[in-house]
Amino acid sequence: SQTIHQWPATLVQPVGSPLSLECTVEGTSNPNLYWYRQAAGRGLQLLFYSIGIGQISSEVPQNLSASRPQDRQFILSSKKLLLSDSGFYLCAWSVNDGELFFGEGSRLTVL
Amino acid sequence: GENVEQHPSTLSVQEGDSAVIKCTYSDSASNYFPWYKQELGKRPQLIIDIRSNVGEKKDQRIAVTLNKTAKHFSLHITETQPEDSAVYFCAAISTMTTDSWGKLQFGAGTQVVVTP
Repeated sequence: SQTIHQWPATLVQPVGSPLSLECTVEGTSNPNLYWYRQAAGRGLQLLFYSIGIGQISSEVPQNLSASRPQDRQFILSSKKLLLSDSGFYLCAWSVNDGELFFGEGSRLTVL
Repeated sequence: GENVEQHPSTLSVQEGDSAVIKCTYSDSASNYFPWYKQELGKRPQLIIDIRSNVGEKKDQRIAVTLNKTAKHFSLHITETQPEDSAVYFCAAISTMTTDSWGKLQFGAGTQVVVTP
């Protein structure tokens, strides 16, 4: 069966520091991969999605970037975090039938 | 692109009563409509979904109905229990158009509180 792993689960970072969140999917090939962000008490905002290695689409302009170095690996990065980057970051995967499955999430607090 | 509106934003129900959440969508090409439940501090989890070739689907105490003509779909929870308390998100997508691949459009969410 398919599983998705995301880490770290929580992190507290100072403003201006870099960020790297990692996500891997097991049990499927060539999945669509996504990064979502959820601010406290808010909805799900799609940040990036990828339909293949090296193919990244950005939904919202910001100081975050994403990379897909391997088929089942998706990385979210920032060179310099802002206070507004705080939130709950969710990696997700799907195949083309629409069903979307989320990782356990990474809670980022920028101080 | 697709736009999904969800109502109400909060819903308080007595244990044992029914809860109904409604969503409308704008893109007539949308053909897949999932519902997610998110408990506090946890990830959203798929609880039920419906595709456009059916009008209703049930799974124990939850059911989803779809009206393609009116472009709305609803989640029904019967005999609510305290563990049903969570935020529920509806979503819509067309799986047939490549420019919308993977861009599941979510509603803003409904906070459901079930009081004993």
